[in-house]
Amino acid sequence: EAQVTQNPRYLITVTGKKLTVTCSQNMNHEYMSWYRQDPGLGLRQIYYSMNVEVTDKGDVPEGYKVSRKEKRNFPLILESPSPNQTSLYFCASSPGQIITYEQYFGPGTRLTVT
Amino acid sequence: GENVEQHPSTLSVQEGDSAVIKCTYSDSASNYFPWYKQELGKGPQLIIDIRSNVGEKKDQRIAVTLNKTAKHFSLHITETQPEDSAVYFCAASISGNAGNMLTFGGGTRLMVKP
Repeated sequence: EAQVTQNPRYLITVTGKKLTVTCSQNMNHEYMSWYRQDPGLGLRQIYYSMNVEVTDKGDVPEGYKVSRKEKRNFPLILESPSPNQTSLYFCASSPGQIITYEQYFGPGTRLTVT
Repeated sequence: GENVEQHPSTLSVQEGDSAVIKCTYSDSASNYFPWYKQELGKGPQLIIDIRSNVGEKKDQRIAVTLNKTAKHFSLHITETQPEDSAVYFCAASISGNAGNMLTFGGGTRLMVKP
């Protein structure tokens, strides 16, 4: 089944404890992206990648890191999480290297930082 | 950067009625406008999109209109059904050399009463 998977689905952590949220897609998509969803703010793009070893900042990159060493994987790293990073996170992938294609979203990761 | 505003934030309609959700964008260079539907506990899913070279697009009970002069676009759902109840997001993007980011509106929670 064609899908985007994220792990973990739920995570509660403490301020400053490094964490990684994994994202993997099995559709051979070029484009991958991370979003955070907060009430009333919609989805805001954190980072995106058009291809392996190519990553770019989105609207809200501060406090996050990403890497794209393999085409299928795009992990999101929080080196020192803070409470304002408590949010619902979505990974997405899309065929092609430009944004004007359908994005396929993962099921989401709900992160709470205390 | 691009700014997308979406109205209303909540919309309640009777089953069988029509629903209209409106979005405005700020960057006249935007040329791709997708609409996503998010059901409870799931990631967003593309329902329809429109590119800047057309003014209207239909897919069964769903239609999107685009007014590039006024920089606004709208989602129209006719003959609403209870399964249309969800959160809907509009988005705008500039593809090509100008960047590969997607900017979302704040979302509209649609409730269809049986």
